[in-house]
Amino acid sequence: GAVVSQHPSRVICKSGTSVKIECRSLDFQATTMFWYRQFPKKSLMLMATSNEGSKATYEQGVEKDKFLINHASLTLSTLTVTSAHPEDSSFYICSARNGRNEQFFGPGTRLTVL
Amino acid sequence: AQSVSQHNHHVILSEAASLELGCNYSYGGTVNLFWYVQYPGQHLQLLLKYFSGDPLVKGIKGFEAEFIKSKFSFNLRKPSVQWSDTAEYFCAVINQAGTALIFGKGTTLSVSS
Repeated sequence: GAVVSQHPSRVICKSGTSVKIECRSLDFQATTMFWYRQFPKKSLMLMATSNEGSKATYEQGVEKDKFLINHASLTLSTLTVTSAHPEDSSFYICSARNGRNEQFFGPGTRLTVL
Repeated sequence: AQSVSQHNHHVILSEAASLELGCNYSYGGTVNLFWYVQYPGQHLQLLLKYFSGDPLVKGIKGFEAEFIKSKFSFNLRKPSVQWSDTAEYFCAVINQAGTALIFGKGTTLSVSS
């Protein structure tokens, strides 16, 4: 099956710093990638849809200036959490969609903001 | 707004018991439905999907789901669970714009040997 990787898998940072998370589709090209946030015992919450070569589409309530998304190529999307605060601590998951409208998920990145 | 509800938050079964996890969606038009599984410490994996055609969909690892349009349901079933089926199960639907997945809150399945 299709493989999606995320890097880093775990990151701890100080409040006020910025953190970049990478999402890569390893064996297929993804014109569309998605960024989700997963809270403990909660479902995945879609944050934004990332389209290669264009601006991301953010869901209601998600601050686009805080969560910067760049989809520079067909295999890479990045999420940058700017000026991170403790409440941004969460599990961030990306997914990539193939030509058959199937989504494949990355392993997630655990962000802890001190 | 489109939504997905999963009625069972935590299901506990013994090995060999039959499983049925409920999933209902809110949108009445054409739907694409999915079940994903997340094993402990692992990422989400697709179990099965329904786009069109036969409403009884068979997936991996012996799972199946039935799309019942009149009930807005897409319940997941397995006739005999194994200890290795212990995981979190998520039902999802593609949103009306066809651009993203909407997830239910998930059901935790615990299978005792």
